[in-house]
Amino acid sequence: GQNIDQPTEMTATEGAIVQINCTYQTSGFNGLFWYQQHAGEAPTFLSYNVLDGLEEKGRFSSFLSRSKGYSYLLLKELQMKDSASYLCAVPNDYKLSFGAGTTVTVRA
Amino acid sequence: DAMVIQNPRYQVTQFGKPVTLSCSQTLNHNVMYWYQQKSSQAPKLLFHYYDKDFNNEADTPDNFQSRRPNTSFCFLDIRSPGLGDAAMYLCATSPSGTGYEQYFGPGTRLTVT
Repeated sequence: GQNIDQPTEMTATEGAIVQINCTYQTSGFNGLFWYQQHAGEAPTFLSYNVLDGLEEKGRFSSFLSRSKGYSYLLLKELQMKDSASYLCAVPNDYKLSFGAGTTVTVRA
Repeated sequence: DAMVIQNPRYQVTQFGKPVTLSCSQTLNHNVMYWYQQKSSQAPKLLFHYYDKDFNNEADTPDNFQSRRPNTSFCFLDIRSPGLGDAAMYLCATSPSGTGYEQYFGPGTRLTVT
């Protein structure tokens, strides 16, 4: 089975950088997803990492270390609209196992 | 635009009164999923269809059923809703195979009175 851990909450100020860590234990590895979910809305896809290293996509970057069972999502130049829950997820066949999510609050 | 649509967005039902939530997709994806999400928790997979093959999660209560009459539509039936079934219900789709992202609908928020 999958065991996925991420912090519950993080707070940062507008314009700052925040790093959301995710550790996972899986019986097989087929990549790792990050989703963003605003309150009361559906999750939306942010990134997918299958190889080690950093992938940058505008203000958001995602890093993966398969040997350490570790990923992080880096949010740069934070904006108020980035206040949301960020979910780490690992696939098992064609199902996804989600972490409980990290709620990021951006303050002015 | 190709998308995943859920109706209704908000549903209120009475304790014990059957309710059906619907999901449709224009993505022509093979796999459709139903998740239950309660406040501040991760989405919990209830079941999924791979084409017409139904796959139930081991801990999904018998109170929850699903139908997929064709590729585009999938329904979630809650036979006798309890207060504990109040949640957001998310439908998602995915192409077949591992490593594909899932595309989520906007969700239906179910209230049980």
